[in-house]
Amino acid sequence: QQQVKQSPQSLIVQKGGISIINCAYENTAFDYFPWYQQFPGKGPALLIAIRPDVSEKKEGRFTISFNKSAKQFSLHIMDSQPGDSATYFCAASVGNTPLVFGKGTRLSVIA
Amino acid sequence: DSGVTQTPKHLITATGQRVTLRCSPRSGDLSVYWYQQSLDQGLQFLIQYYNGEERAKGNILERFSAQQFPDLHSELNLSSLELGDSALYFCASTRSPMGGDPRPYFGPGTRLTVL
Repeated sequence: QQQVKQSPQSLIVQKGGISIINCAYENTAFDYFPWYQQFPGKGPALLIAIRPDVSEKKEGRFTISFNKSAKQFSLHIMDSQPGDSATYFCAASVGNTPLVFGKGTRLSVIA
Repeated sequence: DSGVTQTPKHLITATGQRVTLRCSPRSGDLSVYWYQQSLDQGLQFLIQYYNGEERAKGNILERFSAQQFPDLHSELNLSSLELGDSALYFCASTRSPMGGDPRPYFGPGTRLTVL
């Protein structure tokens, strides 16, 4: 049973455009929702995270939107750049339990 | 650089063999997690150790085992290897499983190829 469903599997965006990646979860007890960025040959690195008591969190060009009633959260990358090309993973956890990851989205930003 | 180190970076072996992957957590981190990343399954949690004791178990096969030593480094042992075990294996660490910053910091991974 996949607890966190991520879409799309791959995404191509023009430079300067907005990249949007979506995740849906099933476990209403989840209370921590991070996004990780992974470049080829590297380990995943934390990008931004949110807790369910807020609906949006912004850090630079990266924004998480959180919809508790719909059990969905999304990552928006504004003014997407070629350097943003990577695989992005959403994840979720309850308390201090291990993170459950989505299957990833491969983002390509083309000039 | 996350501060988590993993060795070796690459490992090529044959079916039926046994290998050991090593992880050193960030300085001060007591909790270590092992994840397997394959193309079709994404990041799958295998097992977690906290200060030398097993804390949580995920989709870890019986052929796999792990331990965390007194100096807090951890080893993941994979035995009777099969072609399907080929994957990237990541170690991650956090300070404590009890509150505080829950985010795990990931190492660079070990790429295992079973031929």
